[in-house]
Amino acid sequence: NAGVTQTPKFQVLKTGQSMTLQCAQDMNHNSMYWYRQDPGMGLRLIYYSASEGTTDKGEVPNGYNVSRLNKREFSLRLESAAPSQTSVYFCASSAVGNTEAFFGQGTRLTVV
Amino acid sequence: QKEVEQNSGPLSVPEGAIASLNCTYSDRGSQSFFWYRQYSGKSPELIMSIYSNGDKEDGRFTAQLNKASQYVSLLIRDSQPSDSATYLCAVRGNSGYALNFGKGTSLLVTP
Repeated sequence: NAGVTQTPKFQVLKTGQSMTLQCAQDMNHNSMYWYRQDPGMGLRLIYYSASEGTTDKGEVPNGYNVSRLNKREFSLRLESAAPSQTSVYFCASSAVGNTEAFFGQGTRLTVV
Repeated sequence: QKEVEQNSGPLSVPEGAIASLNCTYSDRGSQSFFWYRQYSGKSPELIMSIYSNGDKEDGRFTAQLNKASQYVSLLIRDSQPSDSATYLCAVRGNSGYALNFGKGTSLLVTP
């Protein structure tokens, strides 16, 4: 049982380049999330999708776009990467209601 | 912004002692509360969830919730060096969707 799978695990981008972080879950969860984690800042919510076909901004959405491709997949796109987007990105998913979220293994992104 | 506050630590306890981790939250309508453990370089993993006032025990872990005081805590009994990690408090707000995290408390259990 894979759970939540993120690709890639590591990525180095140059300033201005674009890329898409992929996330897929096989737990039939309705809700999916993208977080970034920076030293001393904890986990900050970028975007979330309560259900297939819906997306909402979190605490730090600027510079990012998301797509809920289907129930399994939720991607995060950086259109023009900036050094301030250097971070560890986590995708997570949860079932309907007030249930816990399960995390992927993370993507370590460096923008130079 | 719905705030979740934790002391950053580090909290240092000797092996075998009780570690007490605390968390406060600002959204009075919050409905569900979670504790995650995160080892360095790894992703967060769920330890405990709690939904109603009182205590919930699971092995060496006890979560405590007081909605009137907007306070949730995690007790780790018989702490082990393998418990050394960052502990994240997470709160699901009134909307029922967004899950907001505190910045985490670093715990160090010394042999």
